[in-house]
Amino acid sequence: EAQVTQNPRYLITVTGKKLTVTCSQNMNHEYMSWYRQDPGLGLRQIYYSMNVEVTDKGDVPEGYKVSRKEKRNFPLILESPSPNQTSLYFCASGKDSRKAYEQYFGPGTRLTVT
Amino acid sequence: DQQVKQNSPSLSVQEGRISILNCDYTNSMFDYFLWYKKYPAEGPTFLISISSIKDKNEDGRFTVFLNKSAKHLSLHIVPSQPGDSAVYFCAAHLRSQGGSEKLVFGKGTKLTVNP
Repeated sequence: EAQVTQNPRYLITVTGKKLTVTCSQNMNHEYMSWYRQDPGLGLRQIYYSMNVEVTDKGDVPEGYKVSRKEKRNFPLILESPSPNQTSLYFCASGKDSRKAYEQYFGPGTRLTVT
Repeated sequence: DQQVKQNSPSLSVQEGRISILNCDYTNSMFDYFLWYKKYPAEGPTFLISISSIKDKNEDGRFTVFLNKSAKHLSLHIVPSQPGDSAVYFCAAHLRSQGGSEKLVFGKGTKLTVNP
C-alpha cells in the first residue's frame, strides 16, 4: 500500500530534550516536506526537500532541522524543543518536482512540549 | 502576510444540496491551486487541482473554478453527502526562479453536511 508513515504518532516531552520525528514514504517520491498545523493558522511549511541531500527552509524553520540522506526518509529534528513547538506535525511527499503540488500526507504526529 | 485566504471558518449545508467553498489569493505567481480534505485524526488528502491557465476542472462531484482576474477560486461539491463533512484546505503552489517549490495553505473551512 502506497503511504507516508510517521513515528511516533503522539509524543509528550519536556523543554530542551532533543527529539526526532521520523517520516518514510514507499512511493519513490522525490519531494518531501514537513508542515505544522496550529489552531487558526492552518498548515505552515517547516522544511522541504526536492531530492536526496537537497533541503530548503519553508515558512517556519526556526527551531527545526532536517536531513535527507535517503530518498524514502525525511526525519524532523528538534534539537531543543520549546513549548511553542507544541503542535500537530505532518510529513508529506510529492511525486517529482513537476508535480510537487500534489502531495500525499502522513497521519500526523501530535507533539506536546511541557 | 497571508497569501491564501479562506474567509469562512465553517459552512453547513443539507445533504443533496451544493456546497461552495471559497478561497482568495494574493500572489499572481502561483501556478497551481489545490484543494485538500482533512478528517479528524488523519492527514490531509489531495482532492482536486487546477492549473493557473485553466478556469475549471471537474472530477465527479467536485468542481474547482478559478477566476484569475479576481484572484479567487471555489470548490463546488454537488450533491453534498454526509461523508463530505471535513475540513477543506485551499492551497497554492509556487515555483521560484531558483527552483524551490512550496505549497501555501489557507486556514481551512470546516464543512458539515447534515443528513
